[in-house]
Amino acid sequence: SQQGEEDPQALSIQEGENATMNCSYKTSINNLQWYRQNSGRGLVHLILIRSNEREKHSGRLRVTLDTSKKSSSLLITASRAADTASYFCATGGAYSGAGSYQLTFGKGTKLSVIP
Amino acid sequence: DAGITQSPRYKITETGRQVTLMCHQTWSHSYMFWYRQDLGHGLRLIYYSAAADITDKGEVPDGYVVSRSKTENFPLTLESATRSQTSVYFCASSDLGVLAGGETQYFGPGTRLLVL
Repeated sequence: SQQGEEDPQALSIQEGENATMNCSYKTSINNLQWYRQNSGRGLVHLILIRSNEREKHSGRLRVTLDTSKKSSSLLITASRAADTASYFCATGGAYSGAGSYQLTFGKGTKLSVIP
Repeated sequence: DAGITQSPRYKITETGRQVTLMCHQTWSHSYMFWYRQDLGHGLRLIYYSAAADITDKGEVPDGYVVSRSKTENFPLTLESATRSQTSVYFCASSDLGVLAGGETQYFGPGTRLLVL
């Protein structure tokens, strides 16, 4: 079953605007990650935030994590047409031996940035 | 080339045939994963491997077989393909070294499989 659920499923904005995507999850996590997938390509890691962190920045990306609400948000500032892609959150559980480390992915938010 | 590669990139097969999807990584990462991506389901984990000769089931393992005789290779075999296995398959790897940000997964370009 899916752990993370992104919201909205699709988002269309004008170039230069900010894009915000949200992710909710159900069980306790070790870390939460965001990945991007361009059409027809594999996923690319964007940013990782650990359960003891509240906010993290990387270039135009800002990620927040609220473990009390079991939610995270990804903000892309000053969006560009090249940001058009699907964005996935992935949650990682606690380490508990060689067989247990996995990421669980949500269904993604499809972002369209209109030039 | 360095990185993680998958072959073939596209495959059409018939119901009942055996199909093997290949995955090769050059980083000597300990962990490797196979996912399938379907509309409405996102990515679902099929199998993963913690090291050579160590594999375990993910969320949707039925109908699939994996092996890992060498660290760099992680083939996925559909023993008797069914139409429901039509999907895009992604291989990924990660290095569990915490100092290296080991939880990050690196994805291959995917294999698009059509089962007729």
